[in-house]
Amino acid sequence: SQQGEEDPQALSIQEGENATMNCSYKTSINNLQWYRQNSGRGLVHLILIRSNEREKHSGRLRVTLDTSKKSSSLLITASRAADTASYFCATDAAEYGNKLVFGAGTILRVKS
Amino acid sequence: NAGVTQTPKFRVLKTGQSMTLLCAQDMNHEYMYWYRQDPGMGLRLIHYSVGEGTTAKGEVPDGYNVSRLKKQNFLLGLESAAPSQTSVYFCASRRISGELFFGEGSRLTVL
Repeated sequence: SQQGEEDPQALSIQEGENATMNCSYKTSINNLQWYRQNSGRGLVHLILIRSNEREKHSGRLRVTLDTSKKSSSLLITASRAADTASYFCATDAAEYGNKLVFGAGTILRVKS
Repeated sequence: NAGVTQTPKFRVLKTGQSMTLLCAQDMNHEYMYWYRQDPGMGLRLIHYSVGEGTTAKGEVPDGYNVSRLKKQNFLLGLESAAPSQTSVYFCASRRISGELFFGEGSRLTVL
């Protein structure tokens, strides 16, 4: 079973708008990570947020973590057509040992 | 610096045939993983390794075997391929701080 579940499953926005994706998980975590996957390619790591952190920024990316609600959000500001991709959250939890567990992903389409 | 390299990139098999997917990483990472990705299901862990000579089962290990004879290589084998194993396979290695580095994937079709 998947630890992380992304919401929405798909998102379509205009270039320049912000995109927000959410991830919910079930158990206590060590950290939560976000990855991007362009069509037909491997996943690329975007950002890692540890359980004792609440917010993290990287360029146009902003990730928040609410451990009390067991949820995280990824915000992409001023989106570009090149941001079109699938985005996955992955959780690193003591319960799962040395494994990352991925959600099913959010498909983001940015229209130019 | 190639990162994680998977071979082959594409393969078509007939039911019952065997094959091996090779994953090589040049980052000296201890941990390596094999995932499969199917439409709408995200990534599911098949097997993983926490170091040379070690392997462990993931979420969907049935029908697959793995070996980690050298630290830089992680092999995924299918002894008798089935149509249900049609998928895209991804190998990843893990930095000590936790991030995964993925290969570009191996697309397998079993007829």
